[in-house]
Amino acid sequence: NAGVMQNPRHLVRRRGQEARLRCSPMKGHSHVYWYRQLPEEGLKFMVYLQKENIIDESGMPKERFSAEFPKEGPSILRIQQVVRGDSAAYFCASSPLLNTDTQYFGPGTRLTVL
Amino acid sequence: TQLLEQSPQFLSIQEGENLTVYCNSSSVFSSLQWYRQEPGEGPVLLVTVVTGGEVKKLKRLTFQFGDARKDSSLHITAAQPGDTGLYLCAGEVNRDDKIIFGKGTRLHILP
Repeated sequence: NAGVMQNPRHLVRRRGQEARLRCSPMKGHSHVYWYRQLPEEGLKFMVYLQKENIIDESGMPKERFSAEFPKEGPSILRIQQVVRGDSAAYFCASSPLLNTDTQYFGPGTRLTVL
Repeated sequence: TQLLEQSPQFLSIQEGENLTVYCNSSSVFSSLQWYRQEPGEGPVLLVTVVTGGEVKKLKRLTFQFGDARKDSSLHITAAQPGDTGLYLCAGEVNRDDKIIFGKGTRLHILP
């Protein structure tokens, strides 16, 4: 039973490029969450999605950031025109429909913006 | 704004000692979780507590949820180097709401 998968594990981008981070939830999980973590910090909620729906995007910057969870395929967190301040670890978590307080995390994508 | 404050921020103790770390808030949570995160990895769920006053044990780890469901503690007995890591508490205010994370307690157990 595979856990939450994220790829790539490490991503290097130059300022102004686009970053695409992928997350495949655990089998049978219908909820996906994205978090950002800076060094020595806890996790900051960004967005919560169900299949084809954004439920809560209150933690996501209004510009340059977008997220989707299509009917088929992984969830994508997209960051356009990256800046150095976007460098962080981005974690995805998934939960089953009836137990949204039990989240299982992926290994994260470490984004470095040069 | 709901905040989860964790204390201490850092803790370094000798192998074999006992320790307690805390997670406090002014908000009431419908559930609270503890996670452990190792460097370069995602957080791993240790426990979820939902009932005020609830105590859960996981081998040498004891988790307690406060009676008012505003705070929680994690007690480790006879700490081992393998317990080293970042311990995060997280809470859900309302069912199906987003989960809020504390900044964590960074624990280092010296052999």
